[in-house]
Amino acid sequence: DGGITQSPKYLFRKEGQNVTLSCEQNLNHDAMYWYRQDPGQGLRLIYYSQIVNDFQKGDIAEGYSVSREKKESFPLTVTSAQKNPTAFYLCASSPGPPDLPQDNSPLHFGNGTRLTVT
Amino acid sequence: GQQLNQSPQSMFIQEGEDVSMNCTSSSIFNTWLWYKQDPGEGPVLLIALYKAGELTSNGRLTAQFGITRKDSFLNISASIPSDVGIYFCAGYNAGGTSYGKLTFGQGTILTVHP
Repeated sequence: DGGITQSPKYLFRKEGQNVTLSCEQNLNHDAMYWYRQDPGQGLRLIYYSQIVNDFQKGDIAEGYSVSREKKESFPLTVTSAQKNPTAFYLCASSPGPPDLPQDNSPLHFGNGTRLTVT
Repeated sequence: GQQLNQSPQSMFIQEGEDVSMNCTSSSIFNTWLWYKQDPGEGPVLLIALYKAGELTSNGRLTAQFGITRKDSFLNISASIPSDVGIYFCAGYNAGGTSYGKLTFGQGTILTVHP
């Protein structure tokens, strides 16, 4: 079955440590995204990548870094510079750019990683 | 970054009741989406709307793309306990370099009492 796999499901870290969240997809999608979810705030875009070896900052990129060395993988590193890292992190993917809006399959999400930093 | 204004923030209803929630935006979108998220899971797409004025159904769910392209609503008829979860609206403008970049509402937490 095709899908998006995020690991681990739960992650605990001490303040001041960097931590990397894994996201792998076997949907052959070109684009991948990282969202952060906090209670009552919906989902906010951290970084996205529309093609291998290229990525762009989203709305809340400060304190995060990403890489896109392979089409199927888009790991997110939460650095010690991120002031409030405790959150639920969601990875998503989508096919390449559509010609018409209805040709684009909306985002497919993984099941998330809950990061707790103390 | 912009966020959509989604209401209500939470709803507590009895099984069998109908539910209505909506989303508004200060800017237009050419695509509106509705997702449902179960606890500890990622959001799952319920309905996608691609045309202003479009009314689309998926089982007991009905969603509409507002004429102004700045709003959308979702109705759930005859709610059942498994409808419990968080419902998110999302808007985006497909095409160009913006494809896949969704703007999300804050979510509506739905609780259904048997």
